[in-house]
Amino acid sequence: KAGVTQTPRYLIKTRGQQVTLSCSPISGHRSVSWYQQTPGQGLQFLFEYFSETQRNKGNFPGRFSGRQFSNSRSEMNVSTLELGDSALYLCASSLDPNNEQFFGPGTRLTVL
Amino acid sequence: GIQVEQSPPDLILQEGANSTLRCNFSDSVNNLQWFHQNPWGQLINLFYIPSGTKQNGRLSATTVATERYSLLYISSSQTTDSGVYFCAVGEGISNTGNQFYFGTGTSLTVIP
Repeated sequence: KAGVTQTPRYLIKTRGQQVTLSCSPISGHRSVSWYQQTPGQGLQFLFEYFSETQRNKGNFPGRFSGRQFSNSRSEMNVSTLELGDSALYLCASSLDPNNEQFFGPGTRLTVL
Repeated sequence: GIQVEQSPPDLILQEGANSTLRCNFSDSVNNLQWFHQNPWGQLINLFYIPSGTKQNGRLSATTVATERYSLLYISSSQTTDSGVYFCAVGEGISNTGNQFYFGTGTSLTVIP
């Protein structure tokens, strides 16, 4: 069974640009969550989607948004990039909230 | 949100030694997982253990949900065990989605 995949793996952008990251969950999983990892703040929850609906959102500005498609694939978008958005972005999938979560390899975003 | 504290923050072991990592959390949880983050950033699932005890080879884990803590035991440590270990907990409430709260991790270094 294929694991969670994330694309791209690495990304370099400049301040003010926008970026879209993609996550494909494990087949059959309908819940997808996104997390941001930085050296200063650790791992922080961004949002969670289940059956195309955002059910939970972390404490991030509106520049961070996401969506989920009918095939459970998810994208997150960051607009007007800031230097502080440089981070490892991790996606996790699970059957439902009470089940084990599996993480993808992450997308490492660098903002110059 | 739920506060998660991991101890110790750093641990240096001689190869072959045993260790215990601790995770304390501030509220009731329905989901608890231990992860090992590899050098490339991916979170590798070790245990899904909201309660009880599990073992997998040289690793075992115990969660005492009523007392709000979990322990990860590593026996006969090897250099490949080096890395950062994270505990993550979630409320896992189906109606409002799931959110993982991560601890700050334990950085383990195993020296030959």
